[in-house]
Parts: sequence; C-alpha cells; structure tokens
Amino acid sequence: AQKITQTQPGMFVQEKEAVTLDCTYDTSDPSYGLFWYKQPSSGEMIFLIYQGSYDQQNATEGRYSLNFQKARKSANLVISASQLGDSAMYFCAMREPGVTGGGNKLTFGTGTQLKVEL
Amino acid sequence: NAGVMQNPRHLVRRRGQEARLRCSPVKGHSHVYWYRQLPEEGLKFMVYLQKENIIDESGMPKERFSAEFPKEGPSILRIQQVVRGDSAAYFCASSPPTGGGEKLFFGSGTQLSVL
Repeated sequence: AQKITQTQPGMFVQEKEAVTLDCTYDTSDPSYGLFWYKQPSSGEMIFLIYQGSYDQQNATEGRYSLNFQKARKSANLVISASQLGDSAMYFCAMREPGVTGGGNKLTFGTGTQLKVEL
Repeated sequence: NAGVMQNPRHLVRRRGQEARLRCSPVKGHSHVYWYRQLPEEGLKFMVYLQKENIIDESGMPKERFSAEFPKEGPSILRIQQVVRGDSAAYFCASSPPTGGGEKLFFGSGTQLSVL
C-alpha cells in the first residue's frame, strides 16, 4: 500500500522568507508521481507542482520548487519569498502506479497548515 | 481553478435523505475522480470513472454510495439515506484521456452537511 507522511501539522514563516514543507513517501514501485496541492480556507484544491519518479531534475513552478531525494523517499516543497496569501493547508500526494485505465488515483498526506506572518 | 465545475457548493440534507453531487470535468477530459475529505484530514480516493464506465471504486463505501459518468452530462455522486458521518467535503477531479498525468484538476468541492 502507498503511504504519504507529512510530519509537520503546522508551520510558521515570516513574510519574504523561504519555507520547506516536508513529505516522505513509501512505495516499492519504481514508477510513481508526486504532487503538491494548496488548500486555502475557501476550500478549493489548487495544484502547485508535480514530480515524476524518473524526472532527472527537481520540478520548479515559479516560487515553488520540489526537493526530490529519491533515495531518501522525500519530496519536500520549498516556497521562496513567502507571501501572506501563501497561508493555507498544503497537501502532498502520490499517484499510485499501474492504475487501471491509466488514471490518477492519489494517496494524500494529512497536510501541513502554513501561516505566513508579517 | 482549471475548469472543473462542481455544484452545489454547499448541500444540507437531513438524515435519511438523498444527496446528489454534480461534477462537470474540464472540457476534453474523460477521466473523473471523486475524493472525500473528512474534517481535519487529507483527501481519500473514492471512485475513478471514464465515460459510461466505473474503472475503480475501491474507495467507495459498499452501501448507499454510487457514482456515474454518463455519455452526456456531468458525473454524479449519489448518497442515499445520508447519515451524519457522511458530512464532509466531496471533491471531483478530472484528467485528460491520454497523458497529462502530471496534472489532476480539482473542482472547488461540495460541502455536505447532514443534520
């Protein structure tokens, strides 16, 4: 069974500072995908960044980057230059490999609540 | 928001009533997924559908829950005889028929409250 672990229930960061949100995963399959989503207080799920297990380079999307350490099975999200609008719940998720029909069946972590302070 | 439309945004039902949640995927997407989020938890997979087919329903409760994705129209998640434990946020997501696996677009969710 796939497993995603987010050990930080809550994090605080000062505006304009960088912050790292931790995510470790457990799978025996060599092919998988890792996602990060942001969920603000309004409730929607916003896609941030994706990393494939065979990708040679760490994924980046604007101020978001994924620190992918395959041997350690970690996929930490780094947010640079934090903004007040970054305050939200952040979820790490892994796509299960070999899903029938090629679909995106995701297993989610329990999330990290990030609060950006002035 | 990448175009997945869910309605209603909020749904209140009394115990024993039926709840119908609707999801229109991104145009061109033929794969639809339903997830449930209980308070203070992450999302849990419920069901994966393609047009007119249920591909994987391993996360669906065995009773009272059903889902469909007809040839025409939105995907529907139906919960019969709702109980208080069904209160949760229900999210729909969609992805393209080929490739595009790196993105899964979610709707804004339906918050179901059972009184």
